[in-house]
Amino acid sequence: EPEVTQTPSHQVTQMGQEVILRCVPISNHLYFYWYRQILGQKVEFLVSFYNNEISEKSEIFDDQFSVERPDGSNFTLKIRSTKLEDSAMYFCASNAVGGGLSYNEQFFGPGTRLTVL
Amino acid sequence: KNEVEQSPQNLTAQEGEFITINCSYSVGISALHWLQQHPGGGIVSLFMLSSGKKKHGRLIATINIQEKHSSLHITASHPRDSAVYICAARNYGGATNKLIFGTGTLLAVQP
Repeated sequence: EPEVTQTPSHQVTQMGQEVILRCVPISNHLYFYWYRQILGQKVEFLVSFYNNEISEKSEIFDDQFSVERPDGSNFTLKIRSTKLEDSAMYFCASNAVGGGLSYNEQFFGPGTRLTVL
Repeated sequence: KNEVEQSPQNLTAQEGEFITINCSYSVGISALHWLQQHPGGGIVSLFMLSSGKKKHGRLIATINIQEKHSSLHITASHPRDSAVYICAARNYGGATNKLIFGTGTLLAVQP
């Protein structure tokens, strides 16, 4: 069964360092998402991506964050200068069809746990 | 005010009990998702529904669009059902399928 994969599973970094979190969405999917979950809190939407551009982003997704689909399979989240409060589990998700009344299921990756020291 | 509210936040049940987790939302939705999150952190989609009722094994999800309320039921609960159950709403009319998550219900089923 096709699945979303994420690497690494755990990333430890020093404050101020850049990190890149990687995701491989399901191959025929067109919409991609990043969510994050700070320990003990609910999952929060960061950004959605379609047709090689950001389609929506939350207030959390400031200039420190960027996303990219560098090739036909990978979808990356970059944090330029990590802060302590960026420590969280980051989930990638994808689905086949877009918004409005489309009911396509969103598939989640296993997550990358980012720890900023 | 949270756009998606769940209750209870924590639930402890004995094996075999019938379990209900509730979700209320204040936004217009195109679909409501029920998700399961295990201690390792991974998220698994259980149901996606926009009306009526869906059943998969011992799990049943219902939604009442007029009342903006959904429930997840687990029949004959088992310790392996222990996890966090999350409802998430897909905002109607949004540009994307982004999900708005509830805070989750931590379920512990004791043998």
